Amino acid sequence: AQSVSQHNHHVILSEAASLELGCNYSYGGTVNLFWYVQYPGQHLQLLLKYFSGDPLVKGIKGFEAEFIKSKFSFNLRKPSVQWSDTAEYFCAVNTGGFKTIFGAGTRLFVKA
Amino acid sequence: GAVVSQHPSRVICKSGTSVKIECRSLDFQATTMFWYRQFPKKSLMLMATSNEGSKATYEQGVEKDKFLINHASLTLSTLTVTSAHPEDSSFYICSARDQWGDTMNEQFFGPGTRLTVL
Repeated sequence: AQSVSQHNHHVILSEAASLELGCNYSYGGTVNLFWYVQYPGQHLQLLLKYFSGDPLVKGIKGFEAEFIKSKFSFNLRKPSVQWSDTAEYFCAVNTGGFKTIFGAGTRLFVKA
Repeated sequence: GAVVSQHPSRVICKSGTSVKIECRSLDFQATTMFWYRQFPKKSLMLMATSNEGSKATYEQGVEKDKFLINHASLTLSTLTVTSAHPEDSSFYICSARDQWGDTMNEQFFGPGTRLTVL
């Protein structure tokens, strides 16, 4: 069965530190990949997505992610985090069907 | 565009009663909607896929007689938690796919409904 694993459950960073959140999936075929963010008290929002083309995807708020097919990975990065990036981040994978599988999420806390 | 609403946002009910949660796509048509349950400090668990005009597809372990799903139109799906018990207390989130948009596999999420069963 397809699955998505996020390596870090909790991450604490100071402002201006660089961020990388790991995401790996298990599926051998074509995938659509997403990162969603859930700010405290708010609903899930799309941060960025990869369908095809350039494997380096840029999203909103300075986030980017790189799809490495050989590693089945789609890690999220940001060079310099801000306090306002404190949120929970979910990696998600769609294999072309109706269902999207979500990872367990990573809670990021950025210290001001 | 691509806004999904849920109603109510919060509901408190007594054990044994039924609760209906509505999910609406406000500015697009959604033949497929999804219902998730989010446990504290955990990820979203897909409960079922709601298909307009046909029966919902439930994930393994989800009781279809307890969580009734109806998708009567292209913009509305409802989840009814029947005979609710305290263990059903959770955060329920719906999402919808824009059938005709250029982001066919992207899901748009509702704000969620916090259910508390006393």
